[in-house]
Amino acid sequence: NAGVMQNPRHLVRRRGQEARLRCSPMKGHSHVYWYRQLPEEGLKFMVYLQKENIIDESGMPKERFSAEFPKEGPSILRIQQVVRGDSAAYFCASSEGTDNSPLHFGNGTRLTVT
Amino acid sequence: GENVEQHPSTLSVQEGDSAVIKCTYSDSASNYFPWYKQELGKGPQLIIDIRSNVGEKKDQRIAVTLNKTAKHFSLHITETQPEDSAVYFCAANPGSSASKIIFGSGTRLSIRP
Repeated sequence: NAGVMQNPRHLVRRRGQEARLRCSPMKGHSHVYWYRQLPEEGLKFMVYLQKENIIDESGMPKERFSAEFPKEGPSILRIQQVVRGDSAAYFCASSEGTDNSPLHFGNGTRLTVT
Repeated sequence: GENVEQHPSTLSVQEGDSAVIKCTYSDSASNYFPWYKQELGKGPQLIIDIRSNVGEKKDQRIAVTLNKTAKHFSLHITETQPEDSAVYFCAANPGSSASKIIFGSGTRLSIRP
């Protein structure tokens, strides 16, 4: 009974490159959430998606960041033209999507921009 | 929008003693309050949650209390053990969304042997 799977676990990119982070939700979950965590800080909400729909992107930076959750395959968080300030741990969570159903998190992708 | 504040930021207790972490929230429409434990290099793990229709919930050594009037909720860990050392996060759902949650800033709990 696999949990939320994120890959890669570690990703190193040079400034100006693109980063693609993948998330496969738990079996039976159709809702995905992305959060960002800076060192020694809490988790900041970025975006909430259902299959083929963005429900809430109020935490997404206006530029360079995008997210998708296609009908088939994992959810993707894409960061274009990365800058040093994008270095962080990015966590994905999934839920059944019913009211107040618990969010289950993956082990994150640690992005380092050099 | 919802704002969740958490105290203390660090907490050190003797093994076997109790630990208490407190949170406040701003959105009176919030009705779901989970607690997560995060170990080094891992994602947050849900350890207990409480909904607004109850004031207290207990699961073995862990208990959570909720005061909706004061907009406070707390995590209590009794008989602490070394494996309880981790960072703990409280969270709350904004009243405008029954699904996403907003996190507090975390408490680093250390258990002294």
